Amino acid sequence: GAGVSQSPSNKVTEKGKDVELRCDPISGHTALYWYRQSLGQGLEFLIYFQGNSAPDKSGLPSDRFSAERTGGSVSTLTIQRTQQEDSAVYLCASSLGTGTVGGYTFGSGTRLTVV
Amino acid sequence: KQEVTQIPAALSVPEGENLVLNCSFTDSAIYNLQWFRQDPGKGLTSLLLIQSSQREQTSGRLNASLDKSSGRSTLYIAASQPGDSATYLCAVRPTGGSYIPTFGRGTSLIVHP
Repeated sequence: GAGVSQSPSNKVTEKGKDVELRCDPISGHTALYWYRQSLGQGLEFLIYFQGNSAPDKSGLPSDRFSAERTGGSVSTLTIQRTQQEDSAVYLCASSLGTGTVGGYTFGSGTRLTVV
Repeated sequence: KQEVTQIPAALSVPEGENLVLNCSFTDSAIYNLQWFRQDPGKGLTSLLLIQSSQREQTSGRLNASLDKSSGRSTLYIAASQPGDSATYLCAVRPTGGSYIPTFGRGTSLIVHP
């Protein structure tokens, strides 16, 4: 697509439920990143995918968080047994692959509220 | 470990002023530096991308400069307008490792009429 698409734009869930957030990157972008931004805070790196390589999961805050990327394109971030501290805006970005000089393009984010 | 600092953290100015936002980084091994704008509750919108070999980039009233050797970039906003009110973030793309960009905490800008 022309831009990075994220869905849903807003999600309200009850504590303890599982949620799935979706990111559809720009066509041809092999690198995909997930970030979390809590209210009034900076961007917190979560996970990075590059092509068919094993993802860099070093930013995932707990084992309740996982992500996959199917066919090198769409990515899903799953949060199991959601907690109130998971409430944040989840941002996805994509870029051309490593070793290039391209920049990052962000989606509009998913605002997650855990009640 | 790369660290990116943005100064000031917040800025409030009257309409029409020329502004300078600062971004500094500790590791000069970067491919590029990118400036973004973020409106409240929204995603990031790219403003300017400067490659490591470049000194500056311009788009309309915006001008970004890069001094890689000293680890500094500035975003200059000419003739500020209320519509410029937003948070401005800079991000550096490293040349090695996992290529994960490092972001500053941002400068929150308010331009009042």
